Amino acid sequence: TQLLEQSPQFLSIQEGENLTVYCNSSSVFSSLQWYRQEPGEGPVLLVTVVTGGEVKKLKRLTFQFGDARKDSSLHITAAQPGDTGLYLCAGPVQAGTALIFGKGTTLSVSS
Amino acid sequence: ETGVTQSPTHLIKTRGQQVTLRCSSQSGHNTVSWYQQALGQGPQFIFQYYREEENGRGNFPPRFSGLQFPNYSSELNVNALELDDSALYLCASSLGGGPYEQYFGPGTRLTVT
Repeated sequence: TQLLEQSPQFLSIQEGENLTVYCNSSSVFSSLQWYRQEPGEGPVLLVTVVTGGEVKKLKRLTFQFGDARKDSSLHITAAQPGDTGLYLCAGPVQAGTALIFGKGTTLSVSS
Repeated sequence: ETGVTQSPTHLIKTRGQQVTLRCSSQSGHNTVSWYQQALGQGPQFIFQYYREEENGRGNFPPRFSGLQFPNYSSELNVNALELDDSALYLCASSLGGGPYEQYFGPGTRLTVT
């Protein structure tokens, strides 16, 4: 069974700090997607990483896909209160149509 | 471009009742996937509809069923509601059947008492 484990589960930091959240699996994924979900809303796609070792940047957010395509990380530089939310990683099930999601990391950034 | 919309926003039902949730996909998208998100969890895949046919199903019992219409909007029906069905139900649209990048609606919060 493919599983995605995210850590940490909760993160509470001050504005301006840097942070990294992780998404790990024992299975190889053809790609991984990162979403952010705010309370009362559906998840919003941030990025898709496809190639092992790939690094993608979205303003202050840096996403990396592990060389073996079993893990990914999201690094936020100089966090802002607007970064607050639930960060979810998701990957396609092998030979299927489903996306499986991790349980997410809840980030709280206070000013 | 119109985003994904869902109705209703909130719903309270009694155990044993039936419920229908509705979703309009983003314009240009022909695939709708439904997810259940329990509190503190990530979304769990229920099923996907592509061109009006079920195109994959997660580990959910048959009392969870769905439909997709010619305009690609979709319904999720749940029969014989149980307390554990209380969750946020998310609809996501995409282009092309498969586990591709999903564009989510705001969800329907279902409470079963």
